[in-house]
Amino acid sequence: EDQVTQSPEALRLQEGESSSLNCSYTVSGLRGLFWYRQDPGKGPEFLFTLYSAGEEKEKERLKATLTKKESFLHITAPKPEDSATYLCAVQSGDKLIFGTGTRLQVFP
Amino acid sequence: GAVVSQHPSWVICKSGTSVKIECRSLDFQATTMFWYRQFPKQSLMLMATSNEGSKATYEQGVEKDKFLINHASLTLSTLTVTSAHPEDSSFYICSARDGQGGEKLFFGSGTQLSVL
Repeated sequence: EDQVTQSPEALRLQEGESSSLNCSYTVSGLRGLFWYRQDPGKGPEFLFTLYSAGEEKEKERLKATLTKKESFLHITAPKPEDSATYLCAVQSGDKLIFGTGTRLQVFP
Repeated sequence: GAVVSQHPSWVICKSGTSVKIECRSLDFQATTMFWYRQFPKQSLMLMATSNEGSKATYEQGVEKDKFLINHASLTLSTLTVTSAHPEDSSFYICSARDGQGGEKLFFGSGTQLSVL
């Protein structure tokens, strides 16, 4: 069964304190691993798609990496505006299967 | 990036009434749209896949007679929650895939439904 597990559930960081979010997955035939950011009461906002092990993508303070079993979202020197829930999803067939997310809070 | 517009953003209704939620792709044609449901502090759960011009495909455990989906055009899908009850209160989010074979899903801003 396709499954996505994210850890930690919640993360509190001081502004400037770098850290990483984990997404472990099992899927039959990975067609893509997606990272989204979701603010309270809003729909998810697309961040990255990764397709193969070893691939990396960056956007501002965020960097996503992918192995055969997991993906990491690295946050370098976060700012309070980076506070949000970060969702990981894998594509299974035509569908996206989401993890439960990591709620990130960055304090000034 | 592509824009998906969802309306309304929130709705309060009485138990037993029906509520319609609209999802529009504004600058692209979406042959496939997806409807998700999200409870507080939980992830998105896929309810159904909507294909333009054909019947929706519902996920296991989702009542198709309660959650009516119509995808009559390449830019519009609607979800109607029929005879809503308090347990239907949730955050409903639609998403669409660019009909040009794009892999990315673009999400609407969500609809918070509260059934009294």
